[in-house]
Amino acid sequence: QSALTQPPSVSGAPGQRVTISCTGSSSNIGASYDVHWYQQLPGTAPKLLIYGNNNRPSGVPDRFSASKSGTSASLAITGLQAEDEADYYCQSFDSGLSGSGWVFGGGTKLTVL
Amino acid sequence: EVHLLESGGGLEQPGGSLRLSCAASGFTFSNYAMSWVRQAPGKGLEWVSAISGPGGSTYYADSVKGRFTISRDNSKNTLYLQMNTLRAEDTAVYYCAKMAGHPLNTYYMDVWGKGTTVTVSS
Repeated sequence: QSALTQPPSVSGAPGQRVTISCTGSSSNIGASYDVHWYQQLPGTAPKLLIYGNNNRPSGVPDRFSASKSGTSASLAITGLQAEDEADYYCQSFDSGLSGSGWVFGGGTKLTVL
Repeated sequence: EVHLLESGGGLEQPGGSLRLSCAASGFTFSNYAMSWVRQAPGKGLEWVSAISGPGGSTYYADSVKGRFTISRDNSKNTLYLQMNTLRAEDTAVYYCAKMAGHPLNTYYMDVWGKGTTVTVSS
């Protein structure tokens, strides 16, 4: 059971806009900890996609954006392309009763129809 | 170019031990915290352990606390993960990742290695 909850899958047609949600709690996102997003293409290592809630590293297209509010965050992809088909993970910090550490969402598989 | 290369994975029996290494290049290694993140077959990412730049502070997920030890040798630009009392559920690809951000609770993984596979089975 991940501390951050993501939908297992989302899909969209080329050119469309899709969003992926990441729901946390008062011990992570709700505690004002930053949310970061990663893209994992099939058979490869994860790659940083968004950091600090809504910042894109150099080289990441502006089709990718993210936001955070309360105990949730979301990743938006506009102008969907076939190459966007991948697994997406949110990540934050958690300071729960059992201890503190970094946590990931369970991941969302994006299918481009 | 920043580069991370993991090694040391393999097949080990339950109860056994393995030591993973991660060789870093292209950045001032001692200035950055580092993490290990694993991914079981067909599953999502799980943070395992982290260590501060100087090496004086270490952090562990509950699932590995008391069994795994993270360390680093800044003179060799190398990160380690000593894994003892291995269990079948430790089977995964283990990624080494450079951490960025400040303070600690804003850290994210900005560079990842390709991973090394650990299989725990009799």
